[in-house]
This record gives sequence, structure tokens and C-alpha cells, in this order.
Amino acid sequence: QVQLQESGPGLMKPSETLSLTCSVSGGSITNYFWSWIRQPPGKGLEWIGFVYYTGNTIYNPSLKSRVTISIDTSMNQFSLDLRSVTAADTAVYFCARSDYSPHYYYPMDVWGQGTTVTVSS
Amino acid sequence: DIQMTQSPSSLSASVGDKVTITCRASHGIYNYLAWYQQKPGKIPNLLISAASTLQSGVPSRFSGSGSGTDFTLTISSLQPEDVATYYCQKYNSAPFTFGPGTKVDLK
Repeated sequence: QVQLQESGPGLMKPSETLSLTCSVSGGSITNYFWSWIRQPPGKGLEWIGFVYYTGNTIYNPSLKSRVTISIDTSMNQFSLDLRSVTAADTAVYFCARSDYSPHYYYPMDVWGQGTTVTVSS
Repeated sequence: DIQMTQSPSSLSASVGDKVTITCRASHGIYNYLAWYQQKPGKIPNLLISAASTLQSGVPSRFSGSGSGTDFTLTISSLQPEDVATYYCQKYNSAPFTFGPGTKVDLK
């Protein structure tokens, strides 16, 4: 049973770069898409972007200028960097898995437990 | 980008009631529509993919329908454990936008 676990700082200051890692256990990181999603307190879900095991990425246009998602297949983990954070980036950040097909996308069927990030001066 | 809306934003129903949640896409997305359930304090759980395909382990009282721009999630007989917020999500192409959610609680 594949499991995902996010890790990263809980508290950040404005203008810093948020760096989160998602560790994948119980299964291979290859042949899947790996996404980051966030949820501000009391609000809905926002898809940030995903990375394929080859390193190819697609980002949400609303965050594209500040986001980098990368993958390390040797470590079975992938990462999120979000630059120049503000209080609006305060949220629970989830990592999640989607099946891969060359012609078709799939929804996210396995999610991590989420990690809370607070941006405050 | 395609926008996703849901209605209602919240509802209260009694145990045993039939509950219907609607999701609408601003442009056609074929059947690339998923439904997630998020119970209070928990992570989202994929209920339905491809608009109507129930995921393994999901109770049969849940069903989904629709294609193109209009989709529906139905709970045939609401149970106490169904109290949650339900999100639709498009995944025909990026960005994989979520709807704003529908909060379901017990009357």
C-alpha cells in the first residue's frame, strides 16, 4: 500500500521560499504523476501542479511564476518550492498521486496527510 | 481556464434522505470529472472518477452522472458518516481545478 508523507517547515516569514518534500513509500515513484495541492484554513482545494517521474512538470497558471516542482527518483520523493511567500500562502499542503497514461489524465487516488504551513512575520 | 462551480454551497438533510450535489464546468470536459469527500479534519478521499465510476470500497449509495458541462453526485440514503464537504474536480487538462465544495451536514 503506497503511502505519502509531506515534510517541511511549519512556520515561515513573508518573502521566504517554502520548500516541502513528499516521501513515497510502499511503491515506486515511476509511472505516476505526483501533485501538490493546498487548502487555506476553512477554504477549498487548490491544485498547484504536478511532476512526472521523467521530471516533466505542469503548473497552475495562478502560481506558475513562483512554483517549482521537482522529483528525485533515487530517493523516491518529490518536492515543492514556492518563492516569495505571503500570508495568502498559509495553508495545509498535500501531496498526491495520479495514475499515468500517455493519452489520458487521472484524478488523485492517494493523498498524504498534509502539512500545515503558516506564513507570518 | 475552465471554471468549476458547485451548488448548493451547503445543505442539511436527514438520515435516509436522498442528497444531490451539482457541479458545472464553464466549458465541456467530456467525462473527466472526479468527486472527492473530505470529512472534517481529514484528507480528501476520491469517491468517483470519470464522472460515474465508483472507486473501490466506496458505498453503493454514492453515484455520479453527467458529461460535458453538467455533473451530479447523488447520495441515495444519507448516513451520519457522510457528513463532509464534497468537491468536484476537472482533469481533462491542466489546471486540474476543483469546485468550491458543498458542505453536507445532518438536519
